[in-house]
Formats: sequence, structure tokens, C-alpha cells
Amino acid sequence: AQKITQTQPGMFVQEKEAVTLDCTYDTSDQSYGLFWYKQPSSGEMIFLIYQGSYDEQNATEGRYSLNFQKARKSANLVISASQLGDSAMYFCAMGSNYQLIWGAGTKLIIKP
Amino acid sequence: GAGVSQTPSNKVTEKGKYVELRCDPISGHTALYWYRQSLGQGPEFLIYFQGTGAADDSGLPNDRFFAVRPEGSVSTLKIQRTERGDSAVYLCASSYDTHNEQFFGPGTRLTVL
Repeated sequence: AQKITQTQPGMFVQEKEAVTLDCTYDTSDQSYGLFWYKQPSSGEMIFLIYQGSYDEQNATEGRYSLNFQKARKSANLVISASQLGDSAMYFCAMGSNYQLIWGAGTKLIIKP
Repeated sequence: GAGVSQTPSNKVTEKGKYVELRCDPISGHTALYWYRQSLGQGPEFLIYFQGTGAADDSGLPNDRFFAVRPEGSVSTLKIQRTERGDSAVYLCASSYDTHNEQFFGPGTRLTVL
């Protein structure tokens, strides 16, 4: 069965520091995608970054990068130079076709 | 362009009542998804449409839940005989096709008293 595990229920990080949010997954599929979404207190789910299982390079989108280690089945999100507006819930999700399987999320709080 | 919109943003109803939740996807997106998110958890898949047809409704919890997308655009999630356990945020998402990222609406917070 497919599963996503986010082991950090909550994190506090000082503003301007980098932060790594952990995500491990389990799947027997050969082709799959890994996604990170941000959910602020307003509730809307905001797409951040995507990594395909066959992509050899780690995905990057502005201050977001995905540290993809396929052998370890991990897809950690790295946020560089954190900002107060980064405070939110962060969800890791995996999809092999259309259905996304979601982790429980990590609540990130950026301290000024 | 406009993102995914959902109405109403909040719905409070009494146990046993019928509710309809509406989703307006991004124009041109053929795939539409419904999820349910309970407090402190990640979203849970309910149903997926490709065009007008429900390609996978395996996530619907029981036969009180039904969804339609008659013209391949707007979708309505219908819940009959609501129960207190149905209280959650119902999220709708759309994507250009199934291999692209899903864009989410703001959700409808359903409270069943």
C-alpha cells in the first residue's frame, strides 16, 4: 500500500534561517510524482513544488527545493531564507496517476 | 486567470439534512477532484472526474455521498442525510490533466450540528 510519512508534527524556525521538512514515502510503483503543498491558516492548499520519480535533478522553485533521495524513498522540502509568511502547514503528497496520497502535515512557525 | 472557486465557503446544517457543495474549476482543466480534510489531517481523496464522468469514486465513504459534473466543468458534491461525522473541510481541485499539479480551491467548511 502507498503511504506518506511526515515525522515532524511541528517546527519552530528563526526568520531567515533555512528549514528542512521531512517526507518519506512507500510505494511499489516505478513511476510516481512527489508534491509539496502549503496550507496557510486561510485554508487554501497552495502548490509549491513537484518531483517526478525519473527526474535525475532535484526540483527547485525559487526558495523551495526538493531533496529527492530515491533509494531512501525520501523527498524532503528545503526552504531557504525563511520568511514570516512561510508560517503554515506543509503537506507532502505522492501520486502515481491522478490520486494523491497525503501525509499528515508539518506545522511550521517562523519566529521573528 | 481565475483559480478554483468553491461555494459556499461555510455551511452549517442540522443532522439529517441534505447539502450541496459547488466547485468551479480552472477553465480548460479536464480533471477535477474532491477531497475531504478533517482537522489536523491531510486531505482524503473522495472522487475524481475526467471530463463529465466519474473515473474513480472509490473514496466516497458511503452511498450518502454523490457527485456530478454534467457539462465537464462545474461539479457538485451532494451529501444526503448528513451526520455529525461528515463535518470537515471539503476541498476541490482541478488539473490540466492527471499528470500535472492539482490546483485547489479555498474549500467549504461543513459543520453538521
